[in-house]
Amino acid sequence: DAGITQSPRHKVTETGTPVTLRCHQTENHRYMYWYRQDPGHGLRLIHYSYGVKDTDKGEVSDGYSVSRSKTEDFLLTLESATSSQTSVYFCSTSASGQGSYEQYFGPGTRLTVT
Amino acid sequence: AQSVTQPDIHITVSEGASLELRCNYSYGATPYLFWYVQSPGQGLQLLLKYFSGDTLVQGIKGFEAEFKRSQSSFNLRKPSVHWSDAAEYFCAVGEGSSGGGADGLTFGKGTHLIIQP
Repeated sequence: DAGITQSPRHKVTETGTPVTLRCHQTENHRYMYWYRQDPGHGLRLIHYSYGVKDTDKGEVSDGYSVSRSKTEDFLLTLESATSSQTSVYFCSTSASGQGSYEQYFGPGTRLTVT
Repeated sequence: AQSVTQPDIHITVSEGASLELRCNYSYGATPYLFWYVQSPGQGLQLLLKYFSGDTLVQGIKGFEAEFKRSQSSFNLRKPSVHWSDAAEYFCAVGEGSSGGGADGLTFGKGTHLIIQP
C-alpha cells in the first residue's frame, strides 16, 4: 500500500467554522484525490490534483477548496462548514506514466458538523 | 458522463458458497474498471482491475472478475466465500481523456456482503 496518512482521523466542528483536512503521502505519486463517502452514495469525487499547484474540480466540489504546494501534501478546506458536509473523507493517490491509474486510499477522516 | 450501477445493496451468502456481485457501467470509450473492498471503519483496498487484454482478471483474496463489453458488465466472483469476506464492495470506472482514471474514479453505491455461518 502507498504510505497515505490523513489527519485528523476524527473531527467534530460547529456550523460556520473553517476546517482543513490533510492528506500526506510518501510514495511520490503525481495524482491525489479527495472523495467523500455517504451512506447510499458510495464515494464521490470532490477535487483532485495532477501535480503541484495543479488542481481541478470533481463531482461535488461546491463548498470545498484544495491546495497542493508540495507533492506529498494535499489539503482539503471547508471554508464554512455546514451540516451537509458531515461525512467520511478519503484521500487517495495514483501513480502515472505506466498506463494504469489504480488509486490507493488513506484510512479516512470522519467529520461531524454540528 | 459515466456511471456505475451495483444493483444489489445487500447480499447474504452462506460461508463456503459461491459469490457473484454485479456491476454495470456506462462509459463511451473502453473503460478502466476496478473492484475495491472496504472493511468496517477502514479505507478501500484494491481487489482487482481491468484495463485491456484478457477479459477474465484475477485479484487478491481469491476474487476474479469478468469484463463483458456487450453487457457493459464487470461482475465480481469468488468460488467459496469465507467469513472474513464480509465487507462493503465497490465497483468503479476510470474517467478522463486518457480513460485511465487520472481525473478520478466514478464509484457505484456499493454492495454490502453478509456471510452466514
